[in-house]
Amino acid sequence: GAGVSQSPSNKVTEKGKDVELRCDPISGHTALYWYRQSLGQGLEFLIYFQGNSAPDKSGLPSDRFSAERTGGSVSTLTIQRTQQEDSAVYLCASSLGPQGANVLTFGAGSRLTVL
Amino acid sequence: AQKITQTQPGMFVQEKEAVTLDCTYDTSDPSYGLFWYKQPSSGEMIFLIYQGSYDQQNATEGRYSLNFQKARKSANLVISASQLGDSAMYFCAMRPYNTGNQFYFGTGTSLTVIP
Repeated sequence: GAGVSQSPSNKVTEKGKDVELRCDPISGHTALYWYRQSLGQGLEFLIYFQGNSAPDKSGLPSDRFSAERTGGSVSTLTIQRTQQEDSAVYLCASSLGPQGANVLTFGAGSRLTVL
Repeated sequence: AQKITQTQPGMFVQEKEAVTLDCTYDTSDPSYGLFWYKQPSSGEMIFLIYQGSYDQQNATEGRYSLNFQKARKSANLVISASQLGDSAMYFCAMRPYNTGNQFYFGTGTSLTVIP
């Protein structure tokens, strides 16, 4: 696609429920990143994919968080048993690959509110 | 360890004046890229400018320039002739090329342009 597409754009859920956030990167972009941004804060790295593999999962905050990427394209971030502290904007970004000046192109984000 | 530091949580500038947003970084990787992103109140992350660690010249993109001082490990963003539309959060980021492919972001600087 022309840009990075994320869905849903907004999600309100109850504490304890599971949520899935989807990211569709720019076609041909092999690298995909998930970040979390709490209100008024900076970007917290969650996970990075190169193709379908995730060489860096170091940012996932707990075992309630998982992510996968299939076909080197769409990625899904799953949060199980959501907690109120999971409320944030989840940003997905993609780049051509891990070389040089390949910049990150971000999606518009998925705003998650846990009641 | 990789780290990006932005020490100015908020900045004000008069319209049409120039402003410098500070960014310092720390990495042991000899090869890295430095990036600046703008995040308006609408939330999307917009790429502004890139500087490679081996680039001899400071990067420029229109009204944006990057004041790269390698020995001091600083990569300040200079915005010339500020416009009201420049009011936004600005994030500095670094990607070391040989130690994983994660982008490290600073905590951001909120810029307000005063008419």
